[in-house]
Amino acid sequence: ETGVTQSPTHLIKTRGQQVTLRCSSQSGHNTVSWYQQALGQGPQFIFQYYREEENGRGNFPPRFSGLQFPNYSSELNVNALELDDSALYLCASSFIAGAYNEQFFGPGTRLTVL
Amino acid sequence: AQSVTQPDIHITVSEGASLELRCNYSYGATPYLFWYVQSPGQGLQLLLKYFSGDTLVQGIKGFEAEFKRSQSSFNLRKPSVHWSDAAEYFCAVGVGEYGNKLVFGAGTILRVKS
Repeated sequence: ETGVTQSPTHLIKTRGQQVTLRCSSQSGHNTVSWYQQALGQGPQFIFQYYREEENGRGNFPPRFSGLQFPNYSSELNVNALELDDSALYLCASSFIAGAYNEQFFGPGTRLTVL
Repeated sequence: AQSVTQPDIHITVSEGASLELRCNYSYGATPYLFWYVQSPGQGLQLLLKYFSGDTLVQGIKGFEAEFKRSQSSFNLRKPSVHWSDAAEYFCAVGVGEYGNKLVFGAGTILRVKS
């Protein structure tokens, strides 16, 4: 059983560009959550996808968008990049079925916006 | 609004000494509470969680935490710290259905001196 994987590991973009980050969920999981972790801070919830539908969103602007695919892998898209978007982006997968189930985190993608 | 406060940004302890990391939360309902650990270049790993019942919970790697509703606290403890425990520790409260959307504190960096 493979864990949660994310790609790429590191990414450098310039202000105004667009970026796509990818997450492969743990086998059997139907839910993926994305978090932004700025330097020196705790992770902040961006949004969650459950069975390909958005299932909650944190305090992030619409230029942060996502997708979940039938195989439960996921993408995070950020348009019009700003310097403050520089952060570690974490995804976490879990299996939701009427009760709490542990979220498993990937190693993250380090995004640098210049 | 939900929030988590970790008052200590850095803590240094000697190997073999006891450890307590502080966490205070703000949440209207009965909280789902978590402690995660993050080592450099790795994702977040769940140490322990509290949902209900016994207020003293045991986790992995010899960690435990005590939920105190009257103090809105969920402090993490370990009786004897090992050099491999050096990492960053995050307290989180779970919101939404089954607590599966996490609100994190800013983290405490633990340094272990030999």
